[in-house]
Amino acid sequence: EAGVAQSPRYKIIEKRQSVAFWCNPISGHATLYWYQQILGQGPKLLIQFQNNGVVDDSQLPKDRFSAERLKGVDSTLKIQPAKLEDSAVYLCASSAGQGENSPLHFGNGTRLTVT
Amino acid sequence: AQSVAQPEDQVNVAEGNPLTVKCTYSVSGNPYLFWYVQYPNRGLQFLLKYITGDNLVKGSYGFEAEFNKSQTSFHLKKPSALVSDSALYFCAVRVPYSGNTPLVFGKGTRLSVIA
Repeated sequence: EAGVAQSPRYKIIEKRQSVAFWCNPISGHATLYWYQQILGQGPKLLIQFQNNGVVDDSQLPKDRFSAERLKGVDSTLKIQPAKLEDSAVYLCASSAGQGENSPLHFGNGTRLTVT
Repeated sequence: AQSVAQPEDQVNVAEGNPLTVKCTYSVSGNPYLFWYVQYPNRGLQFLLKYITGDNLVKGSYGFEAEFNKSQTSFHLKKPSALVSDSALYFCAVRVPYSGNTPLVFGKGTRLSVIA
């Protein structure tokens, strides 16, 4: 099966600019996640979708970050305006169910550098 | 709140020797535990999980992990390391039946297998 697709792979922007990331999950996967992985740290959940509804966005900095999953398939994550501390790898993942024991399937990520 | 500790930033082992990557957790209740591996410039890949039952679980690429409730540990092991096992390893925990608690990752352990 095709894996989780993410684009772009790399992005360099200046602080205060905006940026958007795209994710296409594995076909049929109802649950989609966005994680932020800062260098030297484990991934941290930003937002979780079940189909096109938000299940958990408690750790999403809503003053600058937004995400949507229209039609319950693809998803976009946006940062506006970006700060230096947003430099990280943004990982999209999907799982077959909302089951708590379902493994997550990750994309290769988008590496964001904010200068 | 749930948390995961990976006490070693780096583990070095000679090819052919057994390897252990340590993980301890802190949760209220019985945990679901996972190991993921991350190769350079790639997303995380699922290795194995403990949900219930036999404390020794086997996963991909010859890896296994042992759940020890009394020591709140879930160490990753492999009897004979390969150079290709060199990667970043993440332990993760989730508490089932506790609302929508997210999967929480440790900070990762870099495994280096030396030929």
